[in-house]
Formats: sequence, structure tokens, C-alpha cells
Amino acid sequence: DAGVIQSPRHEVTEMGQEVTLRCKPISGHDYLFWYRQTMMRGLELLIYFNNNVPIDDSGMPEDRFSAKMPNASFSTLKIQPSEPRDSAVYFCASSWDYLDTGELFFGEGSRLTVL
Amino acid sequence: EDKVVQSPLSLVVHEGDTVTLNCSYEVTNFRSLLWYKQEKKAPTFLFMLTSSGIEKKSGRLSSILDKKELFSILNITATQTGDSAVYLCAVNSGGSNYKLTFGKGTLLTVNP
Repeated sequence: DAGVIQSPRHEVTEMGQEVTLRCKPISGHDYLFWYRQTMMRGLELLIYFNNNVPIDDSGMPEDRFSAKMPNASFSTLKIQPSEPRDSAVYFCASSWDYLDTGELFFGEGSRLTVL
Repeated sequence: EDKVVQSPLSLVVHEGDTVTLNCSYEVTNFRSLLWYKQEKKAPTFLFMLTSSGIEKKSGRLSSILDKKELFSILNITATQTGDSAVYLCAVNSGGSNYKLTFGKGTLLTVNP
């Protein structure tokens, strides 16, 4: 398997623009997580899905952020409008047995810079 | 609010040294504690611990959990330059819903 695939790897945009980050989880994994990583706050869970259904979105910072999972092999995280404080690395991770093993498989991240 | 605190924030050692990384936590409904290694990009899983006093071991890495004192340590013996990375501690808490809280990590640099 190719692992968790994220795109784009890097995005530079201007304040106010819409940003869409994409994720393809590992086939067969029924949990999908979106994390954000910054130097100040470390890794923060934004939202997670189980079987394509959002379970906990309490980490989504505000209404400018939204996430969807239309099918088992694709998820998006959208920021509209973007702000400079959204600059971070956004990770997608998937798992099929995290309750038993704690193992999440992370993608390589999307580095977002908002000017 | 759940808290995971790692120390030290950074550490520089020479190859062959032994290091101990610390993780303390305050969470409700503790389920498990996890260690991840983050090199340049994505974190990769090392260990999950659920019971106090039982050491998990993988090669030169080992970890143990103390649920009474609410901390865990990660030991790396005979360090190598390839061990240079950020080591992340995370605690899984909550009821039926997943809630994984990460510490900010310890940056380990192993010099030749």
C-alpha cells in the first residue's frame, strides 16, 4: 500500500483565499483524522471520522474550517477564508485498530503558508 | 482540559549515550499512552502502553508507564545518529470517543 496520501504538499496563499487540503487514507482503514502542527501548539486534533461519519469536530478552530469525507477513500479539509494564523502543517492520519494498538498512520503533511 | 507535558524540550548527546525522555499527563478517563517518533515529516508509531510497570521494548528503545504518578519514560540506549528526531508522547482519553492529546515533543539530536 502507498500509505496515506496528502495533497498538496506545499501551499502558499494570500489571506482571504480558500484552501482545500486532500487526503486519501490507507485502504481498509475506517478511521481518518485531521491534525494541525505548529511550533507553538504542537499537534492538535481537528476532527476525526469513523466509517466516513464525523465523530468529533470539537478541535475545529472556527466556522472557517470544514471537513468532509464523501467516501472511504477521500477526505478534504477546507479553510475559507484563510488567515495568516492558519499557517501550519496539516496532517491526515488513518487507522483501523487504534483502540487496540494506538497506531495511527500519518501522511507526509501539507505545509500551508498564508500571507 | 487534558494536558501532556514532555521534558526536556531538547537534548543533544553523542553516539553511544543513553537517553531518557519524560512524559507526564493529566487527563480524564485515561485509556493508553503512546510514543511516536517524528523525523523530517510524518510521526511514526513506537509504543502503546496501558498498564503500569510493564516495560515495552523494541531493540534499543524501551518505555514504561506509571499510572499512579501519571508519567512515562522512553529510554534509548547506545544512541545512533539515526535516532535524531522529535519524540512525541500522546495520551488517549475519553469514553467511547477517541481523544488523543499530544505533548509538544522532545527534540533529540545525536552527534557522531
